[in-house]
Amino acid sequence: AQSVTQLGSHVSVSEGALVLLRCNYSSSVPPYLFWYVQYPNQGLQLLLKYTSAATLVKGINGFEAEFKKSETSFHLTKPSAHMSDAAEYFCAVSLGTALIFGKGTTLSVSS
Amino acid sequence: EAGVTQFPSHSVIEKGQTVTLRCDPISGHDNLYWYRRVMGKEIKFLLHFVKESKQDESGMPNNRFLAERTGGTYSTLKVQPAELEDSGVYFCASSQGSGMLAGLQETQYFGPGTRLLVL
Repeated sequence: AQSVTQLGSHVSVSEGALVLLRCNYSSSVPPYLFWYVQYPNQGLQLLLKYTSAATLVKGINGFEAEFKKSETSFHLTKPSAHMSDAAEYFCAVSLGTALIFGKGTTLSVSS
Repeated sequence: EAGVTQFPSHSVIEKGQTVTLRCDPISGHDNLYWYRRVMGKEIKFLLHFVKESKQDESGMPNNRFLAERTGGTYSTLKVQPAELEDSGVYFCASSQGSGMLAGLQETQYFGPGTRLLVL
């Protein structure tokens, strides 16, 4: 059965620092993987998705994620954090057409 | 192009009452999904419509929840009677395509959610 684990419910970084949000998946079939972001009082917005075309996926707002089959990971990174990146981030795997989400990671960015 | 809209944005009701949540998907999207996030937990799938038909309702918690999608357009999710454990944020999402493979990797566009509090 598919599942997603996000390591760390809260991550704090300084403005300009590297952002690394961890996601590990479990899937019996080749997975389709997604990262969504939720800004305060808004809905979930797609950051990027992996659909097997390329292992390094670039998304919006300078984020990218690398699919590593050997590590069953799909970690999200951004070289330099901005204050506007403060939000909750969700990793998800596709199960049929439903999405299976991790518990989310709240990113705080300090100046 | 308008995104997915949900109404109301917030609802506070007492245990035993009925609440109806509405979702308007992006125009032309055949697929409509409902998800729920109970506080402190992950977002969980409730059900999936393709046009007006329920494709998958395996995530519906119990028979107090009833979802409909009139004419393949907007959808409603009714909770009757509401219980304390139904409190949470209810998200609606929609996607365009058809066919299983397309669905697997399709982007689902989410609405802002309805925050339901049952007292």
